[in-house]
Amino acid sequence: QITLKESGPTLVKPTQTLTLTCTFSGFSLSTSGVGVGWIRQPPGKALEWLALIYWDDDKRYSPSLKSRLTITKDTSKNQVVLTMTNMDPVDTATYYCAHRAIFGVAFFDYWGQGTLVTVSS
Amino acid sequence: AIQMTQSPSSLSASVGDRVTITCRASQGIRNDLGWYQQKPGKAPKLLIYAASSLQSGVPSRFSGSGSGTDFTLTISSLQPEDFATYYCLQDYSWTFGQGTKVEIK
Repeated sequence: QITLKESGPTLVKPTQTLTLTCTFSGFSLSTSGVGVGWIRQPPGKALEWLALIYWDDDKRYSPSLKSRLTITKDTSKNQVVLTMTNMDPVDTATYYCAHRAIFGVAFFDYWGQGTLVTVSS
Repeated sequence: AIQMTQSPSSLSASVGDRVTITCRASQGIRNDLGWYQQKPGKAPKLLIYAASSLQSGVPSRFSGSGSGTDFTLTISSLQPEDFATYYCLQDYSWTFGQGTKVEIK
């Protein structure tokens, strides 16, 4: 059974760096073809893909946010970490992590419950 | 970047109605498209992947079609639990549509 859970601060100040952790179980990021991505959703708005990391450490970023994002993995801890620099109130959103693979159902098929991050001074 | 234009942004329908939602990609994406259902306060749920493949456990009243730039999600007979917001996602470079809110008429 695949599960994912996001953790991190619920409130950050403008200009600060946000660090979010996705802790997962039921799969390994050392398995060929597996990846974990981050997606966010501002209140009442649409979903936005942010970043994705694969088992081989291949990393992909949203072009519009690339300069502010870093995604890393710790295979031994079954964790993926997303950092976003220079936070702004417009970055207030629920942040989700999700599993995907490049074979079979090659889409974001399992999602965490999400964590709401508010950016405010 | 590939843009996804989803329509309509909202619709009102009754239980038993046939509902169709469309997504258009700004360039061809083969069949690299998925459909998600999201209910308030919940994470999105994958319904359809690879444009027309039904995700395990999803009722057969949901179906997807299309390839290239034009895609459709159809709910053949709307059920009370289907009232939600639906998003398409192009899996080529990961852009979501703007969503379609399906409301009770």
